[in-house]
Amino acid sequence: KNEVEQSPQNLTAQEGEFITINCSYSVGISALHWLQQHPGGGIVSLFMLSSGKKKHGRLIATINIQEKHSSLHITASHPRDSAVYICAVSRDDKIIFGKGTRLHILP
Amino acid sequence: DAGITQSPRHKVTETGTPVTLRCHQTENHRYMYWYRQDPGHGLRLIHYSYGVKDTDKGEVSDGYSVSRSKTEDFLLTLESATSSQTSVYFCAIKPGPKYEQYFGPGTRLTVT
Repeated sequence: KNEVEQSPQNLTAQEGEFITINCSYSVGISALHWLQQHPGGGIVSLFMLSSGKKKHGRLIATINIQEKHSSLHITASHPRDSAVYICAVSRDDKIIFGKGTRLHILP
Repeated sequence: DAGITQSPRHKVTETGTPVTLRCHQTENHRYMYWYRQDPGHGLRLIHYSYGVKDTDKGEVSDGYSVSRSKTEDFLLTLESATSSQTSVYFCAIKPGPKYEQYFGPGTRLTVT
């Protein structure tokens, strides 16, 4: 079993829809990360959080430490949000990555 | 953007040849990482460094070696490349253990 599991693996939605991507982990962590990777592109850090909730523009990330679960929400989704979203957790000096969720927003 | 570059950006090489990938940073960050990204696997840690001459193995270190003789450079060497090492390689840096990572642009390596 992977230490970091994301769902769904793939998601297609219409422009304007509210998007939720989920992440569950099975190990003790010091922080959780959400990253974004556009097709053929580099990897960008969106959030690092260890408790509660963070918001940046239309993106919201939440974490429940007791449940070992995090969600990434995108409000008013737009085609430019189409990318792979990666959940990762910090454990000691290392970061363990999920396999990513491929999001496609249709205009 | 964090000052992190990778070279080369693309490389095609033959099985059995040695290959060295370079990660260079201008941020003076203590930690540097090498990952490979393959379809269906996500990012997997190859090796990392927590200081000059201080390195440790990741989950997929077999067939790879690293060196860090100065803060700004972290080299990944494939002593004898195999087709299974065809992948996209990402370098990442961070200042300390409780910080987020910043990724380089990636190197696409094809071993024929």
